[in-house]
Amino acid sequence: DIQMTQSPSTLSASVGDRVIITCRASESLNSRLAWYQQRPGKAPKLLIHQTSTLESGVPARFSGSGSGTEFTLTISSLQPDDFATYYCQQYKIYWTFGQGTKVELK
Amino acid sequence: EVQLVESGGGLVKPGGSLRLSCAASGFGFGTYNINWVRQAPGKGLEWVASIGSDETFTPHADSVKGRFTISRDNAKNSVYLQMNSLRVEDTAVYYCSRSLHTGTGDHWGQGTLVTVSS
Repeated sequence: DIQMTQSPSTLSASVGDRVIITCRASESLNSRLAWYQQRPGKAPKLLIHQTSTLESGVPARFSGSGSGTEFTLTISSLQPDDFATYYCQQYKIYWTFGQGTKVELK
Repeated sequence: EVQLVESGGGLVKPGGSLRLSCAASGFGFGTYNINWVRQAPGKGLEWVASIGSDETFTPHADSVKGRFTISRDNAKNSVYLQMNSLRVEDTAVYYCSRSLHTGTGDHWGQGTLVTVSS
């Protein structure tokens, strides 16, 4: 099984901050890495797939990068709508999610 | 518009059974995998099972293997999750999502709550 380790678990930030979330896989993913945003009581929303491809309609302040086993999600300038929980996910072999990162207001 | 609608959740006693349904519309159902993902209260996301377009691909997570079974009816644009021998730790919101065979979930349903409690 592929294990996903996401950090930090909680991130306190202010509107306008640059935010970086990291995700590490237990083996190389061949870029099969996605990022999701989840708001309380709502279903996950796909933001990025294939490490860095933004889903249609997702603001350009979101970006993904990485390779092999190390990946990052960057929010260039945090907006009020971005306070949520973010999950990385590998889909190379079935699906595995990271533990999640809650972005909260500082 | 792509829609996935889960149903069938509810309260069940430990050892009991439930059958969840995921009804799809707005896209070529027969060309997509359908996946079940669950989220226990206050916890993260856990993949449960997936099914390929022709039912030959049906992996299940180790935590549910032998107890849960995923199936689909392409004529009804529906996927099912038969859950037997339910445990307290199966309590969660269960989501279905679609994906291409080697892809991730681009559309998700709103979820259905399963509560296992005596």
